[in-house]
Amino acid sequence: GESVGLHLPTLSVQEGDNSIINCAYSNSASDYFIWYKQESGKGPQFIIDIRSNMDKRQGQRVTVLLNKTVKHLSLQIAATQPGDSAVYFCAENRDNNDMRFGAGTRLTVKP
Amino acid sequence: GAVVSQHPSWVICKSGTSVKIECRSLDFQATTMFWYRQFPKQSLMLMATSNEGSKATYEQGVEKDKFLINHASLTLSTLTVTSAHPEDSSFYICSARAGAKRAFFGQGTRLTVV
Repeated sequence: GESVGLHLPTLSVQEGDNSIINCAYSNSASDYFIWYKQESGKGPQFIIDIRSNMDKRQGQRVTVLLNKTVKHLSLQIAATQPGDSAVYFCAENRDNNDMRFGAGTRLTVKP
Repeated sequence: GAVVSQHPSWVICKSGTSVKIECRSLDFQATTMFWYRQFPKQSLMLMATSNEGSKATYEQGVEKDKFLINHASLTLSTLTVTSAHPEDSSFYICSARAGAKRAFFGQGTRLTVV
């Protein structure tokens, strides 16, 4: 959901481990969800998306899970690498086509 | 993926002056563009949504007379920070979307007001 001015939660993992980043969204009518990765000083980059008629979608090393019952989205990164260190945001596309971002999670990968 | 170009990538201006930031969709027509502001270590905060040819819709608490948004064509939106002050220093990011498809982001503009 919309998070204004919140400081980012952090997740620290060891290189090679799997990472799970969670996101709660607010609008039960949202029909499309996206995960973005943002590196320092850059704009967000698309990672993976999922529509509300699905509950799981897999990409290369990433999987997104959607639980509409509890309005929860997660991003799983397999075999996390140092290059995965960044801030990860989920975004929900609301029924008015507004796109809102979650608070974000800072992922740090330890070598 | 589609390309959104934001310019300039950084700008330093004097307090009281105005700064214009451009957001262009290079290979698609953007029916909707979004402007965000991001403070260090914080999330993106939606400032306004603009649809081509119509007035922007501002989020609560965002001064429309201070942050002027123009979306004159399907490939260009501009954000003008008028009478900038040091507290306006931030990272401004635009995103562009064609219809109901996913949005693509510009690389952001670092504004520093001195």
